[in-house]
Amino acid sequence: AQTVTQSQPEMSVQEAETVTLSCTYDTSESDYYLFWYKQPPSRQMILVIRQEAYKQQNATENRFSVNFQKAAKSFSLKISDSQLGDAAMYFCGIGSQGNLIFGKGTKLSVKP
Amino acid sequence: DAGVTQSPTHLIKTRGQQVTLRCSPKSGHDTVSWYQQALGQGPQFIFQYYEEEERQRGNFPDRFSGHQFPNYSSELNVNALLLGDSALYLCASSLRTGGHEKLFFGSGTQLSVL
Repeated sequence: AQTVTQSQPEMSVQEAETVTLSCTYDTSESDYYLFWYKQPPSRQMILVIRQEAYKQQNATENRFSVNFQKAAKSFSLKISDSQLGDAAMYFCGIGSQGNLIFGKGTKLSVKP
Repeated sequence: DAGVTQSPTHLIKTRGQQVTLRCSPKSGHDTVSWYQQALGQGPQFIFQYYEEEERQRGNFPDRFSGHQFPNYSSELNVNALLLGDSALYLCASSLRTGGHEKLFFGSGTQLSVL
């Protein structure tokens, strides 16, 4: 069975500052990928960043980057230069063949 | 280019009733997956449809069934509704490539069972 744990139910960051959201996972699969989705009040899940498990180089997407530690089964998300529009629920997860396993989420607040 | 669209947006049913939710995938996509998101939880995988057949299924009872049409749109049916079926139902579409496809989600249908 695959599990995903997000140990921070809520986080807060000052606008323009940097924040890191934590995520750990467990899987017996050898071929998988990891991801972070953002869910604003509109409820639509928006892909923030994804990382193939076989790649050693950490993925980056503009202000978003990950710290992937495969041996530790850790996949944290760093948001730099936080903006008010970053406020949302953030879900970490693991996926393979379209079947995604999500954590319970971290609610991120951004203070002006 | 329209993204993933779901209908209806909100729905209220009573226990024991049946419900049908609809999803139109993003243009060019051929695979549809359904997820249930209970309040305060992450989405849970229900099943996935490709070429009009159920390809994968999560840990959901047979009361949950689906269908995919030749135009790739999909329906999720839930029979004998329980109070615990109240949740946000999300549809996600992708293009099957044999690798790890990128999923695009709709805004969901909020189902309330009274």
